[in-house]
Amino acid sequence: GQNIDQPTEMTATEGAIVQINCTYQTSGFNGLFWYQQHAGEAPTFLSYNVLDGLEEKGRFSSFLSRSKGYSYLLLKELQMKDSASYLCAVTGGYNKLIFGAGTRLAVHP
Amino acid sequence: GAVVSQHPSRVICKSGTSVKIECRSLDFQATTMFWYRQFPKQSLMLMATSNEGSKATYEQGVEKDKFLINHASLTLSTLTVTSAHPEDSSFYICSARTGLGGRVNQPQHFGDGTRLSIL
Repeated sequence: GQNIDQPTEMTATEGAIVQINCTYQTSGFNGLFWYQQHAGEAPTFLSYNVLDGLEEKGRFSSFLSRSKGYSYLLLKELQMKDSASYLCAVTGGYNKLIFGAGTRLAVHP
Repeated sequence: GAVVSQHPSRVICKSGTSVKIECRSLDFQATTMFWYRQFPKQSLMLMATSNEGSKATYEQGVEKDKFLINHASLTLSTLTVTSAHPEDSSFYICSARTGLGGRVNQPQHFGDGTRLSIL
């Protein structure tokens, strides 16, 4: 079967660093994506990992460990506009993206 | 690049109406488009995978006769919700992936979504 777990909600302070974890179990693995989704809007692409290690892109970094079925999204220098849901999604068999339930991040002043 | 346009953004209609939603890839060819449904505070649930020139592949539990999908060209896929009822009210989102030949490491790019409200 396929299962993706991530925390439901997180809070953080403006300017701080926050790490959002994601664990997954899938039949077949072709990469892991992180998307950001503001309320009432469609998701926007943040990052993609297919090999183990850290991918850095500005304030956002994403890490993958395939052997552990684990990824995290690291957000640095948090801004108020980073308040959103962050979706972990895994590409499994048949080229389909399977989404986690999302983590709602609230950034406070 | 990689812009996906979805129209309309919001629909409010009476029960029993059929509603068509369009999804267009504006600056790339999309051999595969995906249709998702999202209920409040829940994740995206894949409804079907739409392949240009062939029948859509529906996920388990999704009624293919109720949710008609047509992918007639490399830049357009449509989802028609037939005889919609209040329980069909949801946020419907399409996505498209760049790259031909089914490369799986290309990100899906999402349309802005359609909020469907059935009265």
